[in-house]
Amino acid sequence: DVKVTQSSRYLVKRTGEKVFLECVQDMDHENMFWYRQDPGLGLRLIYFSYDVKMKEKGDIPEGYSVSREKKERFSLILESASTNQTSMYLCASSLSGSVNEQFFGPGTRLTVL
Amino acid sequence: GQNIDQPTEMTATEGAIVQINCTYQTSGFNGLFWYQQHAGEAPTFLSYNVLDGLEEKGRFSSFLSRSKGYSYLLLKELQMKDSASYLCAVIDSNYQLIWGAGTKLIIKP
Repeated sequence: DVKVTQSSRYLVKRTGEKVFLECVQDMDHENMFWYRQDPGLGLRLIYFSYDVKMKEKGDIPEGYSVSREKKERFSLILESASTNQTSMYLCASSLSGSVNEQFFGPGTRLTVL
Repeated sequence: GQNIDQPTEMTATEGAIVQINCTYQTSGFNGLFWYQQHAGEAPTFLSYNVLDGLEEKGRFSSFLSRSKGYSYLLLKELQMKDSASYLCAVIDSNYQLIWGAGTKLIIKP
């Protein structure tokens, strides 16, 4: 059974803290993605990676960074959390190429106080 | 700019049929996905259309008209478990995935 897992389902942090969100996939997928999902808005792409140590900015990269040291793991880092980063964060992975379905993790609901 | 429009919310009755529309204006087109997302859960893949026409998969069908920039998802014999949000996403000319805001479908007994 294919799986994408995320380190936490719920997380509460304070303004200014450094936050790490981890994502692991067991499908040997080349592509991995980080999205945020807010009510009334579509999924918005923060960063994606198509290979180990490779990363590309998405639509809203400001305030975020990523790390992909191993193929199966893609980390999202909030350098200094702010209240406007309170959101649902979804990780996804897919095979290489751009027309393959993405498999999503269960999401991390982050609240920044 | 790029835009995908879906109704925000729809209500239907158990056992009935519902059609969820999606219209898009994107820079190019390389395919369209439909995903289902139950509340508090991850989106899961339903269908992919790249050619015009209807793709049927059990109780769910997806239609595409590239000339009209239009797709719909048709759900038949609705069940309570079909209550979920349905997300439309288009692959543009740069092979970027553009997501709609989703349609929340409420099924009533």
